[in-house]
Amino acid sequence: DQQVKQNSPSLSVQEGRISILNCDYTNSMFDYFLWYKKYPAEGPTFLISISSIKDKNEDGRFTVFLNKSAKHLSLHIVPSQPGDSAVYFCAASGAGSARQLTFGSGTQLTVLP
Amino acid sequence: DSGVTQTPKHLITATGQRVTLRCSPRSGDLSVYWYQQSLDQGLQFLIQYYNGEERAKGNILERFSAQQFPDLHSELNLSSLELGDSALYFCASSYSQTSAAFFGQGTRLTVV
Repeated sequence: DQQVKQNSPSLSVQEGRISILNCDYTNSMFDYFLWYKKYPAEGPTFLISISSIKDKNEDGRFTVFLNKSAKHLSLHIVPSQPGDSAVYFCAASGAGSARQLTFGSGTQLTVLP
Repeated sequence: DSGVTQTPKHLITATGQRVTLRCSPRSGDLSVYWYQQSLDQGLQFLIQYYNGEERAKGNILERFSAQQFPDLHSELNLSSLELGDSALYFCASSYSQTSAAFFGQGTRLTVV
Protein backbone atom coordinates (compact mmCIF):
# COMPACT_ATOMS: atom_id res chain seq x y z
CA ASP A 1 0.00 0.00 0.00
CA GLN A 2 1.82 3.06 -1.28
CA GLN A 3 0.94 5.96 0.97
CA VAL A 4 3.10 8.42 -0.95
CA LYS A 5 2.99 8.28 -4.73
CA GLN A 6 5.05 9.94 -7.40
CA ASN A 7 3.32 8.89 -10.57
CA SER A 8 5.87 10.30 -13.01
CA PRO A 9 9.05 8.23 -13.04
CA SER A 10 10.79 10.79 -15.21
CA LEU A 11 10.59 14.41 -16.37
CA SER A 12 12.66 16.35 -18.89
CA VAL A 13 12.71 20.13 -19.07
CA GLN A 14 14.77 22.73 -20.87
CA GLU A 15 17.33 24.75 -18.96
CA GLY A 16 15.81 28.00 -17.70
CA ARG A 17 12.25 26.69 -17.73
CA ILE A 18 10.14 25.60 -14.79
CA SER A 19 10.26 22.04 -13.47
CA ILE A 20 7.15 20.82 -11.68
CA LEU A 21 7.35 17.57 -9.74
CA ASN A 22 4.20 16.11 -8.29
CA CYS A 23 3.39 13.93 -5.32
CA ASP A 24 0.15 12.49 -3.94
CA TYR A 25 -0.48 10.97 -0.55
CA THR A 26 -3.28 8.94 0.93
CA ASN A 27 -2.70 9.07 4.69
CA SER A 28 -4.58 12.00 6.19
CA MET A 29 -2.41 11.75 9.31
CA PHE A 30 0.60 13.09 7.41
CA ASP A 31 1.31 16.65 8.50
CA TYR A 32 4.88 17.32 7.43
CA PHE A 33 6.17 16.97 3.89
CA LEU A 34 9.66 17.11 2.49
CA TRP A 35 11.47 16.96 -0.81
CA TYR A 36 14.86 15.36 -1.23
CA LYS A 37 17.23 15.28 -4.18
CA LYS A 38 19.38 12.24 -4.79
CA TYR A 39 22.34 11.60 -7.04
CA PRO A 40 23.42 8.01 -7.79
CA ALA A 41 25.43 6.36 -5.01
CA GLU A 42 24.85 9.30 -2.67
CA GLY A 43 22.46 9.89 0.20
CA PRO A 44 19.30 11.95 -0.28
CA THR A 45 19.88 15.68 0.18
CA PHE A 46 17.18 17.67 1.95
CA LEU A 47 15.76 20.45 -0.22
CA ILE A 48 12.67 21.95 1.30
CA SER A 49 9.80 21.08 3.60
CA ILE A 50 6.32 22.25 4.40
CA SER A 51 4.06 21.83 7.37
CA SER A 52 0.39 21.08 6.88
CA ILE A 53 -0.53 24.44 8.42
CA LYS A 54 0.91 26.14 5.34
CA ASP A 55 0.10 25.85 1.67
CA LYS A 56 3.33 27.25 0.26
CA ASN A 57 6.99 27.45 1.22
CA GLU A 58 9.76 29.06 -0.79
CA ASP A 59 13.51 28.73 -0.63
CA GLY A 60 15.39 30.36 -3.47
CA ARG A 61 14.58 28.60 -6.71
CA PHE A 62 12.51 25.95 -4.93
CA THR A 63 8.87 26.32 -3.96
CA VAL A 64 6.69 23.62 -2.49
CA PHE A 65 2.91 23.84 -2.70
CA LEU A 66 0.56 21.78 -0.55
CA ASN A 67 -3.10 21.15 -1.35
CA LYS A 68 -4.44 19.32 1.69
CA SER A 69 -7.93 18.79 0.33
CA ALA A 70 -6.50 17.05 -2.73
CA LYS A 71 -3.73 15.37 -0.71
CA HIS A 72 -1.29 16.67 -3.28
CA LEU A 73 1.99 18.51 -3.17
CA SER A 74 4.29 19.79 -5.83
CA LEU A 75 7.83 21.08 -6.09
CA HIS A 76 8.53 23.92 -8.49
CA ILE A 77 12.09 24.67 -9.57
CA VAL A 78 12.54 27.99 -11.35
CA PRO A 79 14.71 28.42 -13.31
CA SER A 80 15.83 24.86 -13.87
CA GLN A 81 19.57 24.27 -14.22
CA PRO A 82 21.48 21.27 -15.59
CA GLY A 83 22.86 20.65 -12.08
CA ASP A 84 19.30 20.03 -10.92
CA SER A 85 19.28 16.76 -12.86
CA ALA A 86 18.77 14.08 -10.19
CA VAL A 87 16.10 11.85 -8.68
CA TYR A 88 13.65 13.80 -6.55
CA PHE A 89 11.86 12.08 -3.70
CA CYS A 90 8.78 13.30 -1.95
CA ALA A 91 8.47 12.22 1.70
CA ALA A 92 5.86 12.59 4.39
CA SER A 93 5.65 12.08 8.11
CA GLY A 94 2.65 11.90 10.38
CA ALA A 95 1.42 12.65 13.82
CA GLY A 96 2.56 10.42 16.63
CA SER A 97 5.78 9.70 18.39
CA ALA A 98 7.68 8.07 15.56
CA ARG A 99 7.47 10.50 12.65
CA GLN A 100 9.53 8.35 10.36
CA LEU A 101 9.53 9.39 6.72
CA THR A 102 7.48 7.57 4.13
CA PHE A 103 9.00 8.08 0.70
CA GLY A 104 7.58 8.13 -2.77
CA SER A 105 9.28 6.14 -5.51
CA GLY A 106 11.06 9.16 -6.97
CA THR A 107 11.06 11.15 -10.20
CA GLN A 108 14.14 11.38 -12.38
CA LEU A 109 14.50 15.01 -13.48
CA THR A 110 16.67 15.75 -16.48
CA VAL A 111 17.38 19.38 -17.29
CA LEU A 112 18.53 19.74 -20.87
CA PRO A 113 21.06 22.46 -21.72
CA ASP B 1 28.19 17.31 3.44
CA SER B 2 25.14 16.54 5.58
CA GLY B 3 27.16 15.98 8.74
CA VAL B 4 25.95 12.38 9.03
CA THR B 5 28.79 9.87 8.72
CA GLN B 6 28.32 6.25 7.74
CA THR B 7 30.97 3.57 7.69
CA PRO B 8 31.94 1.57 5.80
CA LYS B 9 30.99 2.96 2.39
CA HIS B 10 31.14 -0.43 0.75
CA LEU B 11 30.88 -3.92 2.15
CA ILE B 12 31.06 -7.25 0.35
CA THR B 13 30.31 -10.37 2.31
CA ALA B 14 29.13 -13.92 1.85
CA THR B 15 25.70 -15.38 2.53
CA GLY B 16 25.18 -16.43 6.12
CA GLN B 17 27.57 -13.86 7.49
CA ARG B 18 26.92 -11.00 9.91
CA VAL B 19 27.89 -7.37 9.40
CA THR B 20 27.64 -4.15 11.39
CA LEU B 21 26.97 -0.79 9.81
CA ARG B 22 27.83 2.33 11.76
CA CYS B 23 26.30 5.79 11.78
CA SER B 24 27.40 8.98 13.49
CA PRO B 25 24.58 11.53 13.48
CA ARG B 26 24.98 15.28 13.04
CA SER B 27 26.19 17.02 16.15
CA GLY B 28 23.22 17.67 18.43
CA ASP B 29 20.79 15.38 16.62
CA LEU B 30 18.96 12.99 18.91
CA SER B 31 17.01 10.96 16.37
CA VAL B 32 18.61 8.36 14.16
CA TYR B 33 16.76 6.56 11.38
CA TRP B 34 17.83 3.62 9.24
CA TYR B 35 16.53 3.13 5.71
CA GLN B 36 17.13 0.47 3.09
CA GLN B 37 17.14 1.17 -0.63
CA SER B 38 16.92 -1.88 -2.86
CA LEU B 39 16.78 -1.66 -6.64
CA ASP B 40 13.10 -2.36 -6.82
CA GLN B 41 11.87 -1.13 -3.45
CA GLY B 42 12.75 2.53 -3.12
CA LEU B 43 13.61 3.93 0.31
CA GLN B 44 12.13 1.74 3.02
CA PHE B 45 12.12 2.74 6.67
CA LEU B 46 13.70 0.16 8.94
CA ILE B 47 13.96 1.53 12.47
CA GLN B 48 14.24 4.74 14.48
CA TYR B 49 16.00 5.60 17.72
CA TYR B 50 15.56 8.72 19.75
CA ASN B 51 18.09 9.55 22.45
CA GLY B 52 19.01 5.93 22.91
CA GLU B 53 15.53 4.44 22.86
CA GLU B 54 13.84 2.59 20.04
CA ARG B 55 10.91 4.68 18.81
CA ALA B 56 9.57 2.95 15.73
CA LYS B 57 10.05 -0.13 13.64
CA GLY B 58 9.27 -0.38 9.99
CA ASN B 59 9.94 -3.20 7.56
CA ILE B 60 12.88 -4.56 9.49
CA LEU B 61 13.57 -8.28 9.37
CA GLU B 62 14.08 -10.24 12.58
CA ARG B 63 17.62 -11.01 11.38
CA PHE B 64 18.35 -7.28 11.62
CA SER B 65 18.78 -5.30 14.80
CA ALA B 66 20.00 -1.87 15.76
CA GLN B 67 20.97 0.17 18.75
CA GLN B 68 21.85 3.73 19.64
CA PHE B 69 24.65 4.28 22.11
CA PRO B 70 25.01 6.95 24.83
CA ASP B 71 27.15 9.07 22.51
CA LEU B 72 24.19 8.87 20.05
CA HIS B 73 25.98 6.94 17.34
CA SER B 74 24.03 3.99 16.03
CA GLU B 75 24.80 0.57 14.64
CA LEU B 76 22.70 -1.63 12.38
CA ASN B 77 23.46 -5.31 12.68
CA LEU B 78 22.54 -7.62 9.83
CA SER B 79 22.90 -11.35 10.38
CA SER B 80 22.39 -14.58 8.44
CA LEU B 81 22.77 -12.51 5.34
CA GLU B 82 20.98 -13.50 2.16
CA LEU B 83 21.52 -12.40 -1.42
CA GLY B 84 18.36 -10.30 -1.20
CA ASP B 85 19.85 -8.20 1.58
CA SER B 86 22.13 -6.56 -0.96
CA ALA B 87 21.13 -2.90 -0.93
CA LEU B 88 22.11 0.60 0.02
CA TYR B 89 21.60 1.25 3.72
CA PHE B 90 21.15 4.85 4.75
CA CYS B 91 21.26 6.44 8.12
CA ALA B 92 19.57 9.78 8.76
CA SER B 93 19.45 12.03 11.77
CA SER B 94 17.32 14.90 12.96
CA TYR B 95 17.36 17.19 15.94
CA SER B 96 13.78 16.52 16.85
CA GLN B 97 10.98 14.43 15.49
CA THR B 98 9.45 17.47 13.81
CA SER B 99 12.50 18.64 11.92
CA ALA B 100 13.98 17.54 8.61
CA ALA B 101 16.14 14.44 8.55
CA PHE B 102 19.60 14.61 7.01
CA PHE B 103 21.04 11.55 5.36
CA GLY B 104 24.47 10.03 5.28
CA GLN B 105 26.16 8.81 2.11
CA GLY B 106 25.03 5.26 2.71
CA THR B 107 26.68 1.86 2.95
CA ARG B 108 26.47 -0.31 -0.12
CA LEU B 109 26.16 -3.90 1.01
CA THR B 110 26.76 -6.67 -1.48
CA VAL B 111 26.06 -10.23 -0.40
CA VAL B 112 27.64 -12.87 -2.63
